[in-house]
Amino acid sequence: GESVGLHLPTLSVQEGDNSIINCAYSNSASDYFIWYKQESGKGPQFIIDIRSNMDKRQGQRVTVLLNKTVKHLSLQIAATQPGDSAVYFCADDSGGYNKLIFGAGTRLAVHP
Amino acid sequence: DTGVSQNPRHKITKRGQNVTFRCDPISEHNRLYWYRQTLGQGPEFLTYFQNEAQLEKSRLLSDRFSAERPKGSFSTLEIQRTEQGDSAMYLCASSGRGARPGDTQYFGPGTRLTVL
Repeated sequence: GESVGLHLPTLSVQEGDNSIINCAYSNSASDYFIWYKQESGKGPQFIIDIRSNMDKRQGQRVTVLLNKTVKHLSLQIAATQPGDSAVYFCADDSGGYNKLIFGAGTRLAVHP
Repeated sequence: DTGVSQNPRHKITKRGQNVTFRCDPISEHNRLYWYRQTLGQGPEFLTYFQNEAQLEKSRLLSDRFSAERPKGSFSTLEIQRTEQGDSAMYLCASSGRGARPGDTQYFGPGTRLTVL
């Protein structure tokens, strides 16, 4: 299959370790943030989202942290598995209502 | 499968030809979006529909691009007189009827366009 993101930053982790993927945003007026996972040859898959009135939100094995002071967003994946290997994108609504603006993406490589 | 579907999955065409892609959103969603993604980049917004009304278009959407959603259900994206620079993954997403900004957008598998 094709590669998504040939020259993306890469995070390499061992299977079972926790992963932290970071994202910086620029617009302090952004109200909504979302993380997507994209596997090669597939469309982005929703992981978790958070609104600006929250600092933290947890899902199944994933946690999103939002630090509005420094305009930073992170995605934490607990007990990383080989199936978590993909490119991860953060996005926000800084482009306006209903228009997501995506970051550059980070490739997560999980090694056995 | 009740997710967003897109057809075709792959399209190879010669420069100057017209191509049309189709997107079928999640059935209860009234908002539909088109994005374009090139290798190494995140998706870029192209246009957005609420029901059958096209409410916003990006400057990326040149005059050669047109999108329709005639009955407020499926949508088509047509590119006329394709150029090599149009080669990309064209992604469709849909979201529900919520009134709050940022209703979750769910993406389809995309249509990979290659212009020779």
